[in-house]
Amino acid sequence: QSALTQPASVSGSRGQSITISCTGTSRDVGSYNLVSWYQHHPGKAPKLIIYEVGKSPSGVSNRFSGSKSGNTASLTISGLQTEDEADYYCCSYAGGSIVVFGGGTKLTVL
Amino acid sequence: QVQLQESGPGLVKPSQTLSLTCTVSGDSITSGNYYWSWIRQPAGKGLEWIGRIYISGSTDYNPSIKSRVTISVDTSKNQFSLKLSSVIAADSAVYYCARQYPYYHYMDVWGKGTPVTVSS
Repeated sequence: QSALTQPASVSGSRGQSITISCTGTSRDVGSYNLVSWYQHHPGKAPKLIIYEVGKSPSGVSNRFSGSKSGNTASLTISGLQTEDEADYYCCSYAGGSIVVFGGGTKLTVL
Repeated sequence: QVQLQESGPGLVKPSQTLSLTCTVSGDSITSGNYYWSWIRQPAGKGLEWIGRIYISGSTDYNPSIKSRVTISVDTSKNQFSLKLSSVIAADSAVYYCARQYPYYHYMDVWGKGTPVTVSS
C-alpha cells in the first residue's frame, strides 16, 4: 500500500481558514468512510482530531472539520490560531486489516 | 485517563533485533475493546503504521515489513511489545504505540514516542 498524498506544507493567517487535502485511491480513501486525521506537535504524542471522515472526538475544537469526495479527503481548520501550527496526518483504512497514513502536511500560521 | 508509554533501547546495531515495549495504564489490554498498535516516524518523514495486536493474539502487519515484525502482548503486565528483526539504518525512527479502534481503525490514544537509532 502506498502512502496517501498530502501537500508538504500549507500556510494561513490567524483567523483565516485552510484546507489540507489527502488523496488516496479507490482501494483506500475511495472505498471506506474510515479516514482519520491527526495533529502532531513535534516531540509530543499525535492527537486524533477527526475520525470516520467528519466526526470529532470529545474535547476537540469545532474549528476542525473533515470531508471526503471520491478518493480525496479534506481537513479544514477555520479561525486559524497560533497553536494550530503543527504537522497534520491523514490515515485511511485500506482493506485487509491495514491502515495507511499520508506523508504529512506542515501548517504554518502567519 | 488512558496513557501509553514506550520503552526500550535507543540504539540498536545493524542486523540485530529492535525490541520495544508499550505499557498501558488507565485501561486493560484484556478488555477486548481495542487493538494495540505500533507506528513509526523516520526523521523528516511521515508516519508509517507497523502493525497491531488484539487480546486474542491475532495480529495484522504492514505488508512492507511483515516478514521482520512480531507484535506480542503480556497481559500480566498490561503491556504489548514490538520486535523488528534484521534492522538497517532505514529503521531508525521515533516509534509510537497507540490504542486503535476495531472496525473504525482510528487511533485515539498515543504514547509520546521513543527514538531508536540503528547504528554500529
